Amino acid sequence: DAMVIQNPRYQVTQFGKPVTLSCSQTLNHNVMYWYQQKSSQAPKLLFHYYDKDFNNEADTPDNFQSRRPNTSFCFLDIRSPGLGDAAMYLCATSRGDSHEQFFGPGTRLTVL
Amino acid sequence: AQTVTQSQPEMSVQEAETVTLSCTYDTSESNYYLFWYKQPPSRQMILVIRQEAYKQQNATENRFSVNFQKAAKSFSLKISDSQLGDTAMYFCAFMSIQGAQKLVFGQGTRLTINP
Repeated sequence: DAMVIQNPRYQVTQFGKPVTLSCSQTLNHNVMYWYQQKSSQAPKLLFHYYDKDFNNEADTPDNFQSRRPNTSFCFLDIRSPGLGDAAMYLCATSRGDSHEQFFGPGTRLTVL
Repeated sequence: AQTVTQSQPEMSVQEAETVTLSCTYDTSESNYYLFWYKQPPSRQMILVIRQEAYKQQNATENRFSVNFQKAAKSFSLKISDSQLGDTAMYFCAFMSIQGAQKLVFGQGTRLTINP
């Protein structure tokens, strides 16, 4: 089945230690999104790629970076995680001509 | 900037009952999309239903229907004949048709269906 896959599902890192979360998709969608969802809160968009074009939200901290080496993969890099970065990170995809986003299962990040 | 408000943090009903989740939003745009997403416990978010603002007819998907009141900027979700599998967090979301396809989510309503 075509899907959005996120690895790992659970990630534990130490305060200040860089961490990378990955997302892959078999839907061949040209748009990929990263959302941060803190406990009992709404998902908040961090950035998205439209094809190779990177679009950062104005309030996304510099600590968060992203890479999209090809259509199928997108990575979220947190350069120096703080305790406040503990959250669920959701990846989503969409076709450029459609308004429906397909979500992965998320990666729950714990920062010790 | 658009905002989405869900005023019911939690709701609980008995199986087979009908339940309505409320959502209001604020925008100055005349055309846009509205969505209800479902996020079951420890599972991924899935689209329940969507409404295009230029369509007056309310969207329906099997047991799920919406009451879209454009003038009032209201977009409620009705779940008929509720089932245990409907237990989830429900998010209302707004998307502008202008610019990037970005979802703006409400705070969510945690719905529990009791046997």
